[in-house]
Amino acid sequence: DTAVSQTPKYLVTQMGNDKSIKCEQNLGHDTMYWYKQDSKKFLKIMFSYNNKELIINETVPNRFSPKSPDKAHLNLHINSLELGDSAVYFCASSQYRWVAGDNEQFFGPGTRLTVL
Amino acid sequence: DAKTTQPTSMDCAEGRAANLPCNHSTISGNEYVYWYRQIHSQGPQYIIHGLKNNETNEMASLIITEDRKSSTLILPHATLRDTAVYYCIVRVAPEETSGSRLTFGEGTQLTVNP
Repeated sequence: DTAVSQTPKYLVTQMGNDKSIKCEQNLGHDTMYWYKQDSKKFLKIMFSYNNKELIINETVPNRFSPKSPDKAHLNLHINSLELGDSAVYFCASSQYRWVAGDNEQFFGPGTRLTVL
Repeated sequence: DAKTTQPTSMDCAEGRAANLPCNHSTISGNEYVYWYRQIHSQGPQYIIHGLKNNETNEMASLIITEDRKSSTLILPHATLRDTAVYYCIVRVAPEETSGSRLTFGEGTQLTVNP
């Protein structure tokens, strides 16, 4: 009964290729996120969508394009992959509105992207 | 969001309490203290959060000092499965249009030894 799922779990590809990572949540949340964890293990937010609307867009190359077809899905498409894109990408979801600080984010298992 | 400082690593014996400190001396009055952990090769997992008062749930206790400049996460009876990187995050409740992000630092690598 997975809450936040990502596919694929592993992705190995050549430089210059275009690839997509899919994320789905069955928690009924209205906000979804993409985070990137690099080889030094730092976790950084990339994007956030609330009700299919982009609300956070960090300084990320425009080769990265998130797409949210509905509230339960947030996909990440990456064009012209580069060596530096190799990382683990985590999807997360939460409710947008805070009530007494309750805004727990649920994370998916991650997608390990390796660019050769 | 306020910056946090945590020790790089800690060790704990299985069955004993693990006390993980976090300094957040620049915390503002409306900022919450959150704790997440990341077990190896998994996504981060929420543990607990608090504003002023001490909090307890089924996973851990959170002790926040009176001046709110530091806090301690307590795992009362650590098990081998608690070995993970623990992140202390301070964040303000978002305004309606600003979104809600988690800003992760380097965290503390807790190793629970048998």
